[in-house]
Amino acid sequence: KQEVTQIPAALSVPEGENLVLNCSFTDSAIYNLQWFRQDPGKGLTSLLLIQSSQREQTSGRLNASLDKSSGRSTLYIAASQPGDSATYLCAVRGGYSGGGADGLTFGKGTHLIIQP
Amino acid sequence: EPEVTQTPSHQVTQMGQEVILRCVPISNHLYFYWYRQILGQKVEFLVSFYNNEISEKSEIFDDQFSVERPDGSNFTLKIRSTKLEDSAMYFCASRPDRVNTEAFFGQGTRLTVV
Repeated sequence: KQEVTQIPAALSVPEGENLVLNCSFTDSAIYNLQWFRQDPGKGLTSLLLIQSSQREQTSGRLNASLDKSSGRSTLYIAASQPGDSATYLCAVRGGYSGGGADGLTFGKGTHLIIQP
Repeated sequence: EPEVTQTPSHQVTQMGQEVILRCVPISNHLYFYWYRQILGQKVEFLVSFYNNEISEKSEIFDDQFSVERPDGSNFTLKIRSTKLEDSAMYFCASRPDRVNTEAFFGQGTRLTVV
């Protein structure tokens, strides 16, 4: 069964720092990996989708990399701002997720606080 | 920008009652999903729906749960007899097609069973 782990569970850094969030998954037979942002009590906002054939994907100050064979992805946030404070979730599609090929399997997230 | 809309945002129900959670997926999307997130836990896949039938479901999605697309726009999740442990945030999501596209999530319905 696919398992997704995110490290660290929580992170607090001063504004302006560059930071890296880590995600690992146990079954490398994925179709894609998606990073989300979740604000307290709110829904999930998609940040980046990276296909299994891709090595990285960029959107603004965000860069996601994927090493499918080793079962790892990182989300790099450049020049962090207080507005980046949120929980960041990693989710994979594929592998045996309990949802077969279609459902996303989520990690528990990294709770990020950017101090002004 | 098109978005997935869920109603209500918060529902409180008594144990044993039936609840229906409603979702309006993005209009040109073909694949629809329900997920849940128990407080403090991971988001978990419940069910996927395509072409008016369930395409996949998790072990969580037992006989107490059902989904329906009653018209061209709404997608519903019914819980027949709610239990305390059904208390969670329920998210609806949709995708334009199955092949390597983003899933877009709604803002969620917080279900509280008392």
